[in-house]
Amino acid sequence: KQEVTQIPAALSVPEGENLVLNCSFTDSAIYNLQWFRQDPGKGLTSLLLIQSSQREQTSGRLNASLDKSSGRSTLYIAASQPGDSATYLCAVRPSNRDDKIIFGKGTRLHILP
Amino acid sequence: DAGITQSPRHKVTETGTPVTLRCHQTENHRYMYWYRQDPGHGLRLIHYSYGVKDTDKGEVSDGYSVSRSKTEDFLLTLESATSSQTSVYFCAISESIVNQPQHFGDGTRLSIL
Repeated sequence: KQEVTQIPAALSVPEGENLVLNCSFTDSAIYNLQWFRQDPGKGLTSLLLIQSSQREQTSGRLNASLDKSSGRSTLYIAASQPGDSATYLCAVRPSNRDDKIIFGKGTRLHILP
Repeated sequence: DAGITQSPRHKVTETGTPVTLRCHQTENHRYMYWYRQDPGHGLRLIHYSYGVKDTDKGEVSDGYSVSRSKTEDFLLTLESATSSQTSVYFCAISESIVNQPQHFGDGTRLSIL
C-alpha cells in the first residue's frame, strides 16, 4: 500500500532564506506527484505537478524535483517571504488501476519576518 | 482559479439528521472527488466520480453516499449524521487522472452536535 510521508511536520525559517521541503513515498509506481499549498481555512492550491517521466518542474521561486527510484520529491522555495507561510502537501497518483491520490500530512511552514 | 463552488460553507446540525453538501464546477471536468480533512489524519478520500452516474468508494466511505446526475454537480450525503463526521469537507476536480492536476474548492466546515 502506497504511503506518503512529509518530514518535518513544521518548520520555521527567517525571511530571505532558501528552503527545501521533503516528501517520500513507498511505491515508485506512480503516474505523477503534485505539490499543494493550503492556507488556514482554505482549500488546497495546486503548485506544481511532476509527471513520472520528469525530473523537475519550476514555477517562479518554486522548484519541485522527483526521484522516482528512491521514492523522494523535494520542493525548493527560493528567497522565502512571509507570504509563503502555509501548509505544503504532496500527493502521489499511483499507476495502478486505482484512481485515488494519496496525500501526505503536510509540512506547516512559518517564515519569520 | 478553477471554478469550484462548495455549499454550504459552514453548517452546524444535530446527530441523526441528514445532511447534503454540494459541489458545483464550471470546468466541465470528468473527475470529481469528496475528501475530508481531520487533524492527525490529513486528507482522506470519501467517494469519487469518473462520470455522470459513475461513482466509486474511497478510503472512508462508510456513512456517506454520493450522486452525480450532471457533469457539473457532485452531491455528498450523510444519511444520519454522527459526531465522528464533524470535519472539513473538500471537493476536488480533475480533467484527467494521469497528467492533469486536481483542483480544490474552499471547503465546507461541518459540525455535528
